[in-house]
Amino acid sequence: EPEVTQTPSHQVTQMGQEVILRCVPISNHLYFYWYRQILGQKVEFLVSFYNNEISEKSEIFDDQFSVERPDGSNFTLKIRSTKLEDSAMYFCASNRVDNEQFFGPGTRLTVL
Amino acid sequence: DAKTTQPPSMDCAEGRAANLPCNHSTISGNEYVYWYRQIHSQGPQYIIHGLKNNETNEMASLIITEDRKSSTLILPHATLRDTAVYYCIVRELWGTDKLIFGTGTRLQVFP
Repeated sequence: EPEVTQTPSHQVTQMGQEVILRCVPISNHLYFYWYRQILGQKVEFLVSFYNNEISEKSEIFDDQFSVERPDGSNFTLKIRSTKLEDSAMYFCASNRVDNEQFFGPGTRLTVL
Repeated sequence: DAKTTQPPSMDCAEGRAANLPCNHSTISGNEYVYWYRQIHSQGPQYIIHGLKNNETNEMASLIITEDRKSSTLILPHATLRDTAVYYCIVRELWGTDKLIFGTGTRLQVFP
């Protein structure tokens, strides 16, 4: 069964450093998303992406964040200058035009 | 904000049916009811969705009231592996509509 994959599973970085979180969505899916979950809190929407551009972004998704689909398979989330409060689980998700979203296993980001 | 309300927690004995309620009184005509669950800090897992008819798949059944203002997710024979946080979410079926997660119901299945 096809699945969304994410790498790395755990990323540790120093405050102020740039990180790139990687996702490989399911191959025939067209819509891509990033969500995050701070420990003990709700899953929060960050951004949606379709047809090589951002469809919607939340207030959390400020200028420090960017997304890219550099090739036909990868979907990345970049945080330019990480802050302590960026520590969270980051989930990638994807769907076709008419079906449910499938989530990846997540990347745990720890900012020291 | 989430358009659904769920009880914060529920218990269920292993082997018994778990019935998880959800209120979505402001649901619009083109919004579906989706259920996801999250085990520990894993990625949310899709369970089932429906518009107005009852639905069943290999994981669960979804009962939606006639006025569509509430629904119930039924796990017919709960196992310990069903212990998770269950989220009821309303969302349009088509396109890029994001999922808005609430706090969900923490289901504890006990032996």
